[in-house]
Amino acid sequence: QVQLVQSGAEVKKPGASVKVSCKASGYTFTGYYMHWVRQAPGQGLEWMGWINTNSGGTNYAQSFQGRVTVTRDTSISTIYMELSRLRSDDTAVYYCARDGTTSGWYGDYWGQGTLVTVSS
Amino acid sequence: QSALTQPASVSGSPGQSITISCTGTSSDVGGYNYVSWYQQHPGKAPQLMIYDVSKRPSGVSDRFSGSKSGNTASLTISGLQAEDEADYLCSSYTSSYTVVFGGGTKLTVL
Repeated sequence: QVQLVQSGAEVKKPGASVKVSCKASGYTFTGYYMHWVRQAPGQGLEWMGWINTNSGGTNYAQSFQGRVTVTRDTSISTIYMELSRLRSDDTAVYYCARDGTTSGWYGDYWGQGTLVTVSS
Repeated sequence: QSALTQPASVSGSPGQSITISCTGTSSDVGGYNYVSWYQQHPGKAPQLMIYDVSKRPSGVSDRFSGSKSGNTASLTISGLQAEDEADYLCSSYTSSYTVVFGGGTKLTVL
């Protein structure tokens, strides 16, 4: 069965960077795009970017341009999201999601979420 | 890319039907049949309920249905049950090859 397992919670200081991982299993890793989505406390979902797990190509939301980097390691079926220059309003649960289609988008499987807390 | 617009809350009694709207622009909702809907219970990851405007993943109850007219998509839940109480979020593919979400709607089953 498809599973996306994310790394554990992180506490970071303002200005630092965080790197969250998402390990996929139960399907052909390079056959699906992957996305990162975050959710601040009490807020809705905010899309951050996607990665073509086959080519490594990426596309990011304009609001995160220059601060976010999404990469993958096909040898271990894992994607990573690194967010730099952290601010207090980056405190959120970060989710990875598999894109169920090659045309358009829908998140058919989601990771369990990783809480990132930014606090001095 | 601005967030899609959803009502903050809706409510209904068991057995009734409710509809949640999701309004975007011609660059997202109106331009593509790539609207999806997610159910999210507190502290849990989102779960896909509808994709490509009106398709249901296997395992999702046929009480859930989706539609679209112009720049507005809608999720209808019929025969409301207590377990349907959750947040519902819409999402769309956009002309910039990106994704946009709505702010979410809290459904209360009275």
